[in-house]
Amino acid sequence: DAGVTQSPTHLIKTRGQQVTLRCSPKSGHDTVSWYQQALGQGPQFIFQYYEEEERQRGNFPDRFSGHQFPNYSSELNVNALLLGDSALYLCATQRGRYEQYFGPGTRLTVT
Amino acid sequence: GIQVEQSPPDLILQEGANSTLRCNFSDSVNNLQWFHQNPWGQLINLFYIPSGTKQNGRLSATTVATERYSLLYISSSQTTDSGVYFCAVPSNDYKLSFGAGTTVTVRA
Repeated sequence: DAGVTQSPTHLIKTRGQQVTLRCSPKSGHDTVSWYQQALGQGPQFIFQYYEEEERQRGNFPDRFSGHQFPNYSSELNVNALLLGDSALYLCATQRGRYEQYFGPGTRLTVT
Repeated sequence: GIQVEQSPPDLILQEGANSTLRCNFSDSVNNLQWFHQNPWGQLINLFYIPSGTKQNGRLSATTVATERYSLLYISSSQTTDSGVYFCAVPSNDYKLSFGAGTTVTVRA
């Protein structure tokens, strides 16, 4: 049983560019959440997707958007990248409201 | 939103020592998760523990929901236990709110 997978592992982008990160859920999971983790801090909630719709959103600007596909996989898109967007981006999946499981993360560096 | 506080922020242990990490939260919760973040950034699930006590090998956890705290016990620590330990609780039923973490360093 494969766990949560994310791609790519690492990414380097330039200020102003756009980026798309991808997440495939653990088998049987229907809910996907995205978190941003800056260096030395705990993960911060970006948003959650369920039934292909954004169910809840954290305190992040509209430059951050997402999508969930019928197979429950998800994408996180960030437009107009800023230096401050450099972070580890974590995807978490769950079945219903049960325990969340995290992927290995995508490390984004904005130069 | 719910506030989560972890203590201590840093912990240095000699291999073989025991330790206790604490997580306090500001409101009633219906579940709580403990994670270990390895040096590569992966968050590993340790416990899903809304209340009571659970054990998994050298690790155990206790949550006292009525008093709004949880404890993570590490016994006979090993160098592989090094990393950051996070507790997280659901806020508004969906998102997880994380504490700032406890950084554990186990020396051989």
